[in-house]
Amino acid sequence: DTEVTQTPKHLVMGMTNKKSLKCEQHMGHRAMYWYKQKAKKPPELMFVYSYEKLSINESVPSRFSPECPNSSLLNLHLHALQPEDSALYLCASNRGIDTGELFFGEGSRLTVL
Amino acid sequence: AQKITQTQPGMFVQEKEAVTLDCTYDTSDPSYGLFWYKQPSSGEMIFLIYQGSYDQQNATEGRYSLNFQKARKSANLVISASQLGDSAMYFCAMREVNTGTASKLTFGTGTRLQVTL
Repeated sequence: DTEVTQTPKHLVMGMTNKKSLKCEQHMGHRAMYWYKQKAKKPPELMFVYSYEKLSINESVPSRFSPECPNSSLLNLHLHALQPEDSALYLCASNRGIDTGELFFGEGSRLTVL
Repeated sequence: AQKITQTQPGMFVQEKEAVTLDCTYDTSDPSYGLFWYKQPSSGEMIFLIYQGSYDQQNATEGRYSLNFQKARKSANLVISASQLGDSAMYFCAMREVNTGTASKLTFGTGTRLQVTL
């Protein structure tokens, strides 16, 4: 079982909806990540939070809004998405600076109609 | 800029045989880390093995070993005694120099491995 929990596992939304993806880890990690993965493609980094502050934003459109309420939680707020935003959204957390190994959740599969 | 190349879109291997998945990289950083992840159809990215740029020995984790050839900038994954459960997508990834505790991983395009009876 993964130690990074993502909800919901599947989400279908219209282009005018507002929804959120949630991610939770209880491993004491201090960095958390959002990746986007299109079918048959590698994951692409979207955001990185380090010590609950936004550290990296890979020029993601503002219709994606990340939030890190505390060191264990990471949200991705979605608003006015486009069909091309349909993808698997993966959350990950970082154990530390020794290996930089990321622990990933199972992902939230998003479909935008 | 970093670049990771996986030239094998798909590979087949018979159960109990060994298989090598290729990965080459390009970076100007003297310090970097190389990772292999497995992604089954469920979607989760599972960490397999790590090699640091200054590590003298090749990394091993159970049936997984990393054939690290620094001069050739290659970091191939070797899976010994393949099992049906090894069928998945495999991604090679490289870490940029750390900023605090945040690691930015860049992934290759992946290799889909199919283990057959």
